[in-house]
Amino acid sequence: QKEVEQNSGPLSVPEGAIASLNCTYSDRVSQSFFWYRQYSGKSPELIMSIYSNGDKEDGRFTAQLNKASQYVSLLIRDSQPSDSATYLCAVLPSGTYKYIFGTGTRLKVLA
Amino acid sequence: GAGVSQSPRYKVAKRGQDVALRCDPISGHVSLFWYQQALGQGPEFLTYFQNEAQLDKSGLPSDRFFAERPEGSVSTLKIQRTQQEDSAVYLCASSPGAQTQETQYFGPGTRLLVL
Repeated sequence: QKEVEQNSGPLSVPEGAIASLNCTYSDRVSQSFFWYRQYSGKSPELIMSIYSNGDKEDGRFTAQLNKASQYVSLLIRDSQPSDSATYLCAVLPSGTYKYIFGTGTRLKVLA
Repeated sequence: GAGVSQSPRYKVAKRGQDVALRCDPISGHVSLFWYQQALGQGPEFLTYFQNEAQLDKSGLPSDRFFAERPEGSVSTLKIQRTQQEDSAVYLCASSPGAQTQETQYFGPGTRLLVL
């Protein structure tokens, strides 16, 4: 079992819809969780970080964390074609600097 | 201000050659990370520096990989006797302090192709 799992996609949603991206992790001591966006041929850029159970909202993005279920998700409201990218989930186990990334979910927002 | 820069952007090496990849972090950033990203995969952690100290090198895949940051700023990742499986994008990231939850700023990467 991979330490951080994501569905590779592609996930296709129409413009204006809500895109829901999911990630599960295996390490129960993980404390910090991150969502990165990576456009094709570019480097990752941080969208959201979340450390506590519940929801965290930033503009059109909402991160949701459920540590009991070892599950973190990212919702993108009012999806735009410019949101089309690969979304990487990353987990940071407690007491380390070793970020663990998933393989990413490719999102396509159809105009 | 300037972001993280990496050079070269592209490198083609013959199997068995040694290569050196350079990372210039954002000025003043304490933390520096190296990652390897194979096609279609997420970045994989290689090593972490806090200033000049290499605090974690557990992700380096073999003793052919070596990284240094002698003055706590520029870092070099060296791969000796390159193999085809070393072909990947090598990403460098820096963050301002030593806190583990700080935002990492990624460079554009060096795309290495080993023939």
